Amino acid sequence: AQSVTQLGSHVSVSEGALVLLRCNYSSSVPPYLFWYVQYPNQGLQLLLKYTTGATLVKGINGFEAEFKKSETSFHLTKPSAHMSDAAEYFCAVSAEYGGSQGNLIFGKGTKLSVKP
Amino acid sequence: DTEVTQTPKHLVMGMTNKKSLKCEQHMGHRAMYWYKQKAKKPPELMFVYSYEKLSINESVPSRFSPECPNSSLLNLHLHALQPEDSALYLCASSPYEAPLQETQYFGPGTRLLVL
Repeated sequence: AQSVTQLGSHVSVSEGALVLLRCNYSSSVPPYLFWYVQYPNQGLQLLLKYTTGATLVKGINGFEAEFKKSETSFHLTKPSAHMSDAAEYFCAVSAEYGGSQGNLIFGKGTKLSVKP
Repeated sequence: DTEVTQTPKHLVMGMTNKKSLKCEQHMGHRAMYWYKQKAKKPPELMFVYSYEKLSINESVPSRFSPECPNSSLLNLHLHALQPEDSALYLCASSPYEAPLQETQYFGPGTRLLVL
């Protein structure tokens, strides 16, 4: 069964500092991995995803993530944090559901705070 | 148009009430989903409709009843809910051309409070 683990329920960085949000996955088959962001009182928005091909994936708002099979990791990074990056971030893996459908299994989330 | 809309944004209901949540998308997507998100928790899948065929998470109580009138609309009927059902209910849709690899597009959610 597929699962994801996000290390750190809360990460705090200063504006302009590197953002690193950690995600490790467990999967018996090649995983499809996603990072979603949720701003307060809003739905989820896709930042980026890994399906096949290039292991370094670039997303929106300057975020990127690298798929490392040997480490079973898919950590999210951004070189320079902005105040607007403050939000909840969810790592997710896609799993089969109902025989053929995709089901997103989410990690517990990491709340990112950005200090001025 | 890459938007999933949900109505109402907020809903307060008593345990004896019957209410419905509505979700709509006009992206031509053939799969739609209902998720439940409790405070400070990740979303959890409740139902999936693909090509108007329903797949149910068997842990979801029967007081939640989904309905898919057409491929653009997804309703969630609520009856005899409990206070612990208070949560953010998120709707999502996806193209369903490659289900496991696809992006799910989420609506803003309906925040439900059961008194």
